[in-house]
Amino acid sequence: DIQMTQSPSTLSASVGDRVIITCRASQSISIWLAWYQQKPGKAPQLLIYKASSLESGVPSRFSGSGSGTEFTLTISSLQPDDFATYHCQQYDSYPWTFGQGTKVEIK
Amino acid sequence: QVQLVQSGAEVKKPGASVKVSCKASGYTFTSYTVHWVRQAPGQRLEWMGWINAGNGNTKYSQKFLGRVTILRDTSTSIAYMELTSLRSEDTAVYYCARDVRSEPWGFFDFWGQGTLVTVSS
Repeated sequence: DIQMTQSPSTLSASVGDRVIITCRASQSISIWLAWYQQKPGKAPQLLIYKASSLESGVPSRFSGSGSGTEFTLTISSLQPDDFATYHCQQYDSYPWTFGQGTKVEIK
Repeated sequence: QVQLVQSGAEVKKPGASVKVSCKASGYTFTSYTVHWVRQAPGQRLEWMGWINAGNGNTKYSQKFLGRVTILRDTSTSIAYMELTSLRSEDTAVYYCARDVRSEPWGFFDFWGQGTLVTVSS
């Protein structure tokens, strides 16, 4: 199985900060990576697919980049609604697998 | 609007089975694949399998082969996930999620609200 590792696991930031979350795959997954946002007690919501394509309706402050084994999710200016947990997911090879999540907390 | 509404929380004893339902609305059910993903307490999300709601084809994660069955009823637009031989490690929130197209691409644009399954003696 492809192992997905996110860093950091927890991140403390302030409103207006630029936030970068990294996701590494244990082998190349080309660009077959998605990012989700999850708030406590809620289902995940799709933010980014194909590594850098923004899902419809998602604010433009979210962006994704990378290919192969290293990927990043960037929030250009953190907003109060963005405090949540973020998950990456590869869909290159079965079984599709997720990272352990990155919790973005208020500093 | 697209909605996936799941059945309510379940409490099961070890060795029992559970069947969770996921009712789709707001789109043509048979035009998309439905997946099941679970999240155990403090653990990462875990993909379990999918069903092509149009032709009924399925694929399961090797981890759950032999214990999981995903079904659908096109007359009611409901997908089901049945998990057998439950153990305490199966305690988790189970989500259904829609793929972005009929043949599975592998990422999910709409999710159900989740169903908590607790396995305890």
